[in-house]
Amino acid sequence: EAGVTQFPSHSVIEKGQTVTLRCDPISGHDNLYWYRRVMGKEIKFLLHFVKESKQDESGMPNNRFLAERTGGTYSTLKVQPAELEDSGVYFCASSQEWNYGYTFGSGTRLTVV
Amino acid sequence: QKEVEQNSGPLSVPEGAIASLNCTYSDRGSQSFFWYRQYSGKSPELIMSIYSNGDKEDGRFTAQLNKASQYVSLLIRDSQPSDSATYLCAVTESGGSNYKLTFGKGTLLTVNP
Repeated sequence: EAGVTQFPSHSVIEKGQTVTLRCDPISGHDNLYWYRRVMGKEIKFLLHFVKESKQDESGMPNNRFLAERTGGTYSTLKVQPAELEDSGVYFCASSQEWNYGYTFGSGTRLTVV
Repeated sequence: QKEVEQNSGPLSVPEGAIASLNCTYSDRGSQSFFWYRQYSGKSPELIMSIYSNGDKEDGRFTAQLNKASQYVSLLIRDSQPSDSATYLCAVTESGGSNYKLTFGKGTLLTVNP
């Protein structure tokens, strides 16, 4: 079984630019989550999809962040325009049921300079 | 603000010893508890889940939960150098957000040969 795939693995962009992160969940997993870890902090929830619907986006920092999940398959997270404080590691995770723990992807390390 | 507290470490143990990792959480209504292992630069990997008070054993790992004390721990018996990693405690939120995980910052474990 293929795991959760994220790309790019690293991205360095300038402040004000746009970046799009992609996540391919495990096939058949209806639940898809985005989390973020900024330097020195704990991993924090951003949002949750059930199939193609946003279930909860309460963790999204502001309206510069836009997440989509096309046809209930892969998801993208766009940051536009990027700010310095957006730097961190963005993790995607998926699960079949919410309460049995997630499978995480390897993350995208975003650096805004 | 729901919180999960862990000692950041590093916790250093000799090979073959028992490593004991601890975690406290603030959300008294939390129902599901997880331990993730994260090697440097890699994705968090789920190693244990526990849902009811008491002990749960899986190979060399034992998770312990005490909901009254809001305390969860992970014991690693016969520690190996390959166990050297950051261990993340994660707890589901109570109520309608019980798909959402709150993470601690993690404890860095080093097992010395």
